Amino acid sequence: EPEVTQTPSHQVTQMGQEVILRCVPISNHLYFYWYRQILGQKVEFLVSFYNNEISEKSEIFDDQFSVERPDGSNFTLKIRSTKLEDSAMYFCASFAGGYTFGSGTRLTVV
Amino acid sequence: GENVEQHPSTLSVQEGDSAVIKCTYSDSASNYFPWYKQELGKGPQLIIDIRSNVGEKKDQRIAVTLNKTAKHFSLHITETQPEDSAVYFCAASWAKTSYDKVIFGPGTSLSVIP
Repeated sequence: EPEVTQTPSHQVTQMGQEVILRCVPISNHLYFYWYRQILGQKVEFLVSFYNNEISEKSEIFDDQFSVERPDGSNFTLKIRSTKLEDSAMYFCASFAGGYTFGSGTRLTVV
Repeated sequence: GENVEQHPSTLSVQEGDSAVIKCTYSDSASNYFPWYKQELGKGPQLIIDIRSNVGEKKDQRIAVTLNKTAKHFSLHITETQPEDSAVYFCAASWAKTSYDKVIFGPGTSLSVIP
C-alpha cells in the first residue's frame, strides 16, 4: 500500500537553529499538508499546499515557517530560529480521495 | 472556526465488549467526518469516515453515526480486541472542496484489556 514517508523520524536541535523536515508524499497525490501534535495534545493543522503554492495556513504557521516542493517528489517544512515550544511531532499528509499521513518526525528543541 | 470536542479522553474495556467514543462539532457547515486511529510511534490512520448526507456507516466491527441536527457523531467498535488499543481521533471538515483541512478532536486513548 502506498505510504507517505517522513525523514528523519527524530530530530534534536538547539534553540535558534533552523531545521528542515522532509516528506515524500504518495506519487500521484496533488494536495499536501503539514500538521503538528504537541505531546499529549490534539493534532493541529499548519498548512496546505497545492500547485506549488500555499492554499491555506493556520495562525500557527507564521513567518518562522515555510514549505517547499523543491522537486517532483519531496515536500519540506522549514522552521527557522527554532523555539522550545516548537517541540512536537510533525506529520506530513497527502490527499487523493482521503488523507494519508506519514509516521511523523519528532522534533525536540533543546 | 470549527471546534471539535471528544469524550471520553480515556476508555478501558474488556476484550469482547463494545467501545463508544462521542464527538461534537461547532460549525454546522461541516460535511465530512473522518475517524483516525493512532498507534504508538505512527501517524493517524483513517479507519472510517462519514459524510453529511449519510446518518450511519458500518465497516465490519466499526460503525459511525452522525446526527447533524445535534452536531454529534460517534464511533462504535464492537467485539473489541487487544489490537484495537490505540488513540482514536475524530475530525471534522467543512470542505468547500474535499481536500480542505480537517480539524481534529483531542483524542481518546482506548485500552482493551485481555
